[in-house]
Amino acid sequence: EVQLVESGGGLVQPGRSMKLSCAASGFTFSDYYMAWVRQAPKKGLEWVASISYEGSSTYYGDSVKGRFTISRDNAKSTLYLQMNSLRSEDTATYYCARPGLFDYWGQGVMVTVSS
Amino acid sequence: DIVMTQGALPNPVPSGESASITCRSSKSLVYKDGKTYLNWFLQRPGQSPQLLTYWTSTRASGVSERFSGSGSGTYFTLKISRVRAEDAGVYYCQQVREYPLTFGSGTKLEIK
Repeated sequence: EVQLVESGGGLVQPGRSMKLSCAASGFTFSDYYMAWVRQAPKKGLEWVASISYEGSSTYYGDSVKGRFTISRDNAKSTLYLQMNSLRSEDTATYYCARPGLFDYWGQGVMVTVSS
Repeated sequence: DIVMTQGALPNPVPSGESASITCRSSKSLVYKDGKTYLNWFLQRPGQSPQLLTYWTSTRASGVSERFSGSGSGTYFTLKISRVRAEDAGVYYCQQVREYPLTFGSGTKLEIK
């Protein structure tokens, strides 16, 4: 059974950093691109970033480019999102997902950016 | 960036009736391999999004035949036949033809 389990969320002050993790199981992690998608409270879905099989290629949404870094450790079957210079508008539930079909999603982890 | 525009539904929809949700893209979603890279998702309250269809009209594993996707180029439709209470939630279309990947703003379905 495919499982994606996010962790690392919580409350953080504006301007600070936070790192999210997504532990994958039930499939060969290195065979798939991976992605982060977020959803602000009561809002729609926003794609954040994607990463290629070995991590050599990364792609970012304009709102996070230069501040967030997506990475992966295939030996640990784990996806990461390093978030720097956090802003209040980054407050959202962050989902780990398996693209290009986005057929599997994690349960999401809440990140609240507030002083 | 490709902008995805979704239509609204005349909520609430009576149980047993059909509902159609439209999605328009600002650019053709046909890729050079001939596939059209349009996904549909349902997000039930308090849950993660669930893939319904991909490549415009291919149903995801385990998805009811009551859900059918259609369309081409820049205009797409998700039809839900014989709606049930469990179909309530927000439906999103998403283009995965090119980066940045983009979603529609969502269409809420309420069941009567």
